Amino acid sequence: SAVISQKPSRDICQRGTSLTIQCQVDSQVTMMFWYRQQPGQSLTLIATANQGSEATYESGFVIDKFPISRPNLTFSTLTVSNMSPEDSSIYLCSVASGTGSEAFFGQGTRLTVV
Amino acid sequence: QQQVKQSPQSLIVQKGGISIINCAYENTAFDYFPWYQQFPGKGPALLIAIRPDVSEKKEGRFTISFNKSAKQFSLHIMDSQPGDSATYFCAASMMRKLQFGAGTQVVVTP
Repeated sequence: SAVISQKPSRDICQRGTSLTIQCQVDSQVTMMFWYRQQPGQSLTLIATANQGSEATYESGFVIDKFPISRPNLTFSTLTVSNMSPEDSSIYLCSVASGTGSEAFFGQGTRLTVV
Repeated sequence: QQQVKQSPQSLIVQKGGISIINCAYENTAFDYFPWYQQFPGKGPALLIAIRPDVSEKKEGRFTISFNKSAKQFSLHIMDSQPGDSATYFCAASMMRKLQFGAGTQVVVTP
């Protein structure tokens, strides 16, 4: 399985500010995804990070709020923009292997907005 | 609308007992069904997974049973250990995008 590193691991941010989360994978991967896990809840897919093109967002998530970059096959960033307390969640990077369907997750970034 | 329904929300099992978690889905386009284990402060870890053309898969103490006609699948944890205490999520995948169940918090008592 791929080793996925996320930075920062946690942060406390003021409302109205933005935070960029980084996801680094130790090998080239076909697909990268960003998920959100609200406190005590399940995981919800935010978007698919596409290499060389714009991210594909799921219903309820928009690019202006969650801009995503993926400059190469091992790295992606998710920005949470103009944050409000409702954005307090764990944000998780996930990658899918090239041949199978297995998906692996990073440790997550625990974000608290005050 | 939640596409994958998971139950129970929580369960307590004695050490050595069997933990059973059930999931149901609606969309027959799902083609891969993984289970994840999550400890507090950690990301979900892939535990075991199954494809819809297989009715059962066993890995160590963990077994997935899959009923394609009923659109249901379940996780059995045999000989449960205190170290198994965690939150378990079922998921269903379509084009590698995962839809998760609500999660089951499992507590194994000594």
